[in-house]
Amino acid sequence: ILNVEQSPQSLHVQEGDSTNFTCSFPSSNFYALHWYRWETAKSPEALFVMTLNGDEKKKGRISATLNTKEGYSYLYIKGSQPEDSATYLCAFLHIKAAGNKLTFGGGTRVLVKP
Amino acid sequence: EADIYQTPRYLVIGTGKKITLECSQTMGHDKMYWYQQDPGMELHLIHYSYGVNSTEKGDLSSESTVSRIRTEHFPLTLESARPSHTSQYLCASSEYVGGAFFGQGTRLTVV
Repeated sequence: ILNVEQSPQSLHVQEGDSTNFTCSFPSSNFYALHWYRWETAKSPEALFVMTLNGDEKKKGRISATLNTKEGYSYLYIKGSQPEDSATYLCAFLHIKAAGNKLTFGGGTRVLVKP
Repeated sequence: EADIYQTPRYLVIGTGKKITLECSQTMGHDKMYWYQQDPGMELHLIHYSYGVNSTEKGDLSSESTVSRIRTEHFPLTLESARPSHTSQYLCASSEYVGGAFFGQGTRLTVV
């Protein structure tokens, strides 16, 4: 079983503050790392697909970095807003000879307080 | 908007019944997945497929089975439902390395 871990499990942030959280994954057989946002009563939606060591991706106030050599990725939210409240999932895509599969971490639940 | 559909959205069924959860996508994706979601919202992979006639079990052991006879269709079957199968089941599809698209999920309750 691949070990994909996210920390912290939950986070309370004051509106306007910036925050970040971590995804750790195996550093061997890396193929790609995904970030998803999962709002209550909706389905997870992809935020970023990252494939190269040193990748940095940005969408609005949310950005992510990737370190494949040490096996971690950070997601940053700048100037948090109540609509950023969601569970943020990372998923590791592993190389396998016959195909590959997407393994999710446990998520970081973010609650932005007005 | 993602073109991946799951039916039914909600299902309450008696113990011992056979059930099939449907998942279809119109994006031509080769890769499809079934995840089981526990109450803490963690997603556990129970089945995946990387193309027609290829299926593999995921990380979480499951009594369910899947089939992939057509690219667009990836149904999950429970031959004899039990209360321990009560959960939310999410289907997803993706291209080779791209982000996955998720269906709306099926919330299954076995009484």
